[in-house]
Amino acid sequence: GQQVMQIPQYQHVQEGEDFTTYCNSSTTLSNIQWYKQRPGGHPVFLIQLVKSGEVKKQKRLTFQFGEAKKNSSLHITATQTTDVGTYFCAGRASGTYKYNFGTGTRLKVLA
Amino acid sequence: GAGVSQSPRYKVAKRGQDVALRCDPISGHVSLFWYQQALGQGPEFLTYFQNEAQLDKSGLPSDRFFAERPEGSVSTLKIQRTQQEDSAVYLCASSLVLAGGLTRNDEQFFGPGTRLTVL
Repeated sequence: GQQVMQIPQYQHVQEGEDFTTYCNSSTTLSNIQWYKQRPGGHPVFLIQLVKSGEVKKQKRLTFQFGEAKKNSSLHITATQTTDVGTYFCAGRASGTYKYNFGTGTRLKVLA
Repeated sequence: GAGVSQSPRYKVAKRGQDVALRCDPISGHVSLFWYQQALGQGPEFLTYFQNEAQLDKSGLPSDRFFAERPEGSVSTLKIQRTQQEDSAVYLCASSLVLAGGLTRNDEQFFGPGTRLTVL
């Protein structure tokens, strides 16, 4: 079945440094979503990507969907302590309703 | 209403007991998902409803797990004869549109979850 892997599993950065997490699917995706989960909280939607090669920006966050629609990335510029949390991608294959969540990348930002 | 609500927030069950977890989605949301999240892991898909129809239950781990959404709003996840491996946070999420509705954002709104501990 479809699997979604994320790397790295953990990332510690100094405040102000950049951060990137990568998501890879074993199958071609129809669309991919990104979520952020704070410690003790629930996942909160960040963005959805649909088109091959799509790039979307939200302030310091840049999201990219690969040309083959099998991988995606989230890049945060100049991290802040408020960026702390676990970032998940969630991919959906065409013809299905099911979203497969990635393993997540846990980000810690050191002030 | 404010958002997705779930009850109870915490549930402790003895092995072999039956439990029922409730999800109140955002009013008017068509799609409803149940996920299981183990500690330190990503949410694992359990089942999907479009209104009252259960269109995908491929993620339910065994026939001890049963979900329903009889009137297309509130949903209940029932686990019979609970086992220790069932211990996890159970998340419910609702979405305004059909899953895969690419013409609109099928953003999932998650509830706070129910933390189930089976002793």
